[in-house]
Amino acid sequence: EDQVTQSPEALRLQEGESSSLNCSYTVSGLRGLFWYRQDPGKGPEFLFTLYSAGEEKEKERLKATLTKKESFLHITAPKPEDSATYLCAFGGVTGGGNKLTFGTGTQLKVEL
Amino acid sequence: NAGVTQTPKFRVLKTGQSMTLLCAQDMNHEYMYWYRQDPGMGLRLIHYSVGEGTTAKGEVPDGYNVSRLKKQNFLLGLESAAPSQTSVYFCASTDGHGYGYTFGSGTRLTVV
Repeated sequence: EDQVTQSPEALRLQEGESSSLNCSYTVSGLRGLFWYRQDPGKGPEFLFTLYSAGEEKEKERLKATLTKKESFLHITAPKPEDSATYLCAFGGVTGGGNKLTFGTGTQLKVEL
Repeated sequence: NAGVTQTPKFRVLKTGQSMTLLCAQDMNHEYMYWYRQDPGMGLRLIHYSVGEGTTAKGEVPDGYNVSRLKKQNFLLGLESAAPSQTSVYFCASTDGHGYGYTFGSGTRLTVV
């Protein structure tokens, strides 16, 4: 069964304290691995798409990486404004419709 | 540059009442989706559409109906609301070319 698991559920960091969020996935054929950011009371906002193992993408303090079983979202020297829930999702090659299956997210809190 | 607009933003229903949630996108996207988000459950797909006049069931379709009469609009209907349908509902759209979904800001629905 295709599934995705994110860890940890919640993470508290001090400003400047780098860390990584994990997204483990099982899918019969990966079309793409997606990362989103969600602020309280808002819809998820697209961050990255990764397509194949070894691929990396960066945006400001965020870097996403992909292996055959996991994706990591590395946060370097985070700031309080990076506080949000980070969601990962995968799209499989079966089923059609460009559907995404989402994980339950990691709630990140960055404190001064 | 509205993107995806959901109406209403908040609604309280009594058990057994019906309502329609409206999603409108101005990006000429082919694919549109309705998700619900519940604590600890993540985003779960209710129904989706791959183009004007098409609809398909997602992971949790029971109790909901949808219509896509115009390309830019995707309607989600609750015929007889139940307390289990209390949730935050998100609409999303994509052109299917790998750039991820664009989400609306959500509708918070409470069924009492």
